[in-house]
Amino acid sequence: EAQVTQNPRYLITVTGKKLTVTCSQNMNHEYMSWYRQDPGLGLRQIYYSMNVEVTDKGDVPEGYKVSRKEKRNFPLILESPSPNQTSLYFCASSFHGGPEAFFGQGTRLTVV
Amino acid sequence: DAKTTQPTSMDCAEGRAANLPCNHSTISGNEYVYWYRQIHSQGPQYIIHGLKNNETNEMASLIITEDRKSSTLILPHATLRDTAVYYCIVRSAGGTSYGKLTFGQGTILTVHP
Repeated sequence: EAQVTQNPRYLITVTGKKLTVTCSQNMNHEYMSWYRQDPGLGLRQIYYSMNVEVTDKGDVPEGYKVSRKEKRNFPLILESPSPNQTSLYFCASSFHGGPEAFFGQGTRLTVV
Repeated sequence: DAKTTQPTSMDCAEGRAANLPCNHSTISGNEYVYWYRQIHSQGPQYIIHGLKNNETNEMASLIITEDRKSSTLILPHATLRDTAVYYCIVRSAGGTSYGKLTFGQGTILTVHP
C-alpha cells in the first residue's frame, strides 16, 4: 500500500531535549516536505527536498533541521525544542511535478 | 501562487450534492486549481485538480469558470464521512516551488444526517 509513515504519532518532550521525527515513503517520490499546523495559522511548510541531498527552507524553517540521505526518508530534527514548536506536524511526498501529494498521519508534538 | 477565497463553513444534508465554491481572481495562465480535504486532524487528502476544463474522478467533480477566476468542487452524494475542511489551492505546475502547497483556512463542510 502506498503510504507516508511518520513516527512517533504523539510526543511530549521538555524544552531543549533534541528530538527527531521520522518520515518514510514507499512510492519512490522525489519531492518530500514537512508542514506544521497551528490553530488559526493553517498548514505552513517548514522544509522541503527535491531529491536526495537537496533540501531547502520553506516558510517557517527556524528551529528545525532536515536531511535527505536516502530517497525514501526525510527526518525532521529539532535540535533544541521550545514550547512554540508545540504543533501538529505532517510529512508529505509527491512525484516531481506530480499533482497529488501524499501526507502522513501526523505527529502531535508538545514541548513543555 | 494566486490567493484563494473560500467560505468559512457550509452545511449539507446527507445524500445531497455539496457544492463548495472558491474564488481565485488573480490566477495566472499556468496555474492549476487543486482541492484537498482534511478530516479531523488527519493528513490532508488530495481530491482533484484542473487547469481550465471541468474534471471528474471517483471522489468529486471540479467545475472551473471560463475566465478561470472561480471554481466549484462538487461532491455528488455527500455522506457523513465527507465532513472535513476543504482546501482550494492554486499552484503553478513548474518552478522551484512546484511541490509546495499553500493552504488557506479552507471551508469547513458539515454533512448532516
